[in-house]
Amino acid sequence: EVQLVESGGGLVQPGGSLRLSCAASGFTFSSYWMSWVRQAPGKGLEWVANIKPDGSDKYYVDSVKGRFTISRDNAKNSLYLQMNSLTVEDTAVYYCARGAYASPRDCWGQGTLVTVSS
Amino acid sequence: DIVMTQFPDSLAVSLGERATINCKSSQTVLYSPNNKNYLAWYQQKPGQSPKLLIFWASTRESGVPDRFSGSGSGTDFTLTISSLQAEDVAVYYCQQYFGTPETFGQGTKVEIK
Repeated sequence: EVQLVESGGGLVQPGGSLRLSCAASGFTFSSYWMSWVRQAPGKGLEWVANIKPDGSDKYYVDSVKGRFTISRDNAKNSLYLQMNSLTVEDTAVYYCARGAYASPRDCWGQGTLVTVSS
Repeated sequence: DIVMTQFPDSLAVSLGERATINCKSSQTVLYSPNNKNYLAWYQQKPGQSPKLLIFWASTRESGVPDRFSGSGSGTDFTLTISSLQAEDVAVYYCQQYFGTPETFGQGTKVEIK
């Protein structure tokens, strides 16, 4: 069974940092593009970042460029999102999602809530 | 960026009746060399993560009931639920994966009348 399990969310003050993790199982992790997608409370979905299977290419939405870093460890079947300089606008549920290049997200984790507040 | 606009924002449909959701992109998501529309539909039930329903505008994901269908090309797309069931109450999102950043519509909430 394909499974994605996020962790690492929590409450952080504005300007702080947080690192999210996503543990993948049930598929060949190293063959897939992976993404982070977020959803602010009561709002819609926003793509955040993508990473190529070998980690060599990464793409970000403009609002997080220079602050967030997506990475992966294929030996550990894990995806990460390092989030720095957090603002209240980054408050959201963060989902890890699987997808091939130029393809939809066909599997999603349950999400982890990040709350940025003083 | 490609802007995705869904309409209506919400709709209430009687059980067994048809529900139709529209999605319009600000520029084409049809890639002419392979004649594919880079457009997907997702369903998000309350308290759950999104689930892929339709991709390439009209291809149902494995396991998705055939009452769900997608149509359209270029910039105008439609998700149709042919006979609404109670378990279809959810928010539905369209998404383009033609360009970066990938973008989603604002969502359409489907309820039972």
